[in-house]
Amino acid sequence: EAGVTQFPSHSVIEKGQTVTLRCDPISGHDNLYWYRRVMGKEIKFLLHFVKESKQDESGMPNNRFLAERTGGTYSTLKVQPAELEDSGVYFCASSQGQAKNTIYFGEGSWLTVV
Amino acid sequence: TQLLEQSPQFLSIQEGENLTVYCNSSSVFSSLQWYRQEPGEGPVLLVTVVTGGEVKKLKRLTFQFGDARKDSSLHITAAQPGDTGLYLCAGQDYGQNFVFGPGTRLSVLP
Repeated sequence: EAGVTQFPSHSVIEKGQTVTLRCDPISGHDNLYWYRRVMGKEIKFLLHFVKESKQDESGMPNNRFLAERTGGTYSTLKVQPAELEDSGVYFCASSQGQAKNTIYFGEGSWLTVV
Repeated sequence: TQLLEQSPQFLSIQEGENLTVYCNSSSVFSSLQWYRQEPGEGPVLLVTVVTGGEVKKLKRLTFQFGDARKDSSLHITAAQPGDTGLYLCAGQDYGQNFVFGPGTRLSVLP
């Protein structure tokens, strides 16, 4: 069974540019989460999809970030325009069913904004 | 805002030694998970504890969830170089989202 996959694994962009990160959750997982870790900080929650609906987007830092999950399968996280402080690792995770179930993380998309 | 603290932040020990890592919060969590993360990879789940006072063992690793479900500990017996990595605890709130601690970076020297 394929795990959570993320693309790209690494991205270096200039300040002001746009980057779109993609996450393919484990097949059949309704729950999809985005987290990020910026340098020196802990991993922080961004948002949670249940199927195609945003269950909780309280962690999204500002309106430069847009997450979508059309069709309830893969998800994209777009940063536009990117700022220097957006640099970090963006993790996607997925889980099946209710709370307390195991969530599986992808390897992360490493974003560097220069 | 829920916060998780982990101690120690860094730990360097010799192979064969025992160690304990702590995860503390003032908040109550529905469950708590421990992850290990290696460079360039995402966190990998080690264990989930759900019940206050619960103890789970995974080979040389022993995990305990505090009675009040606010804290947890990870004890490693006879550490090996392969245990080296970043150990993260994450508390799950009742909205299904996870709050992560800053991690404990463990280095086991041969």
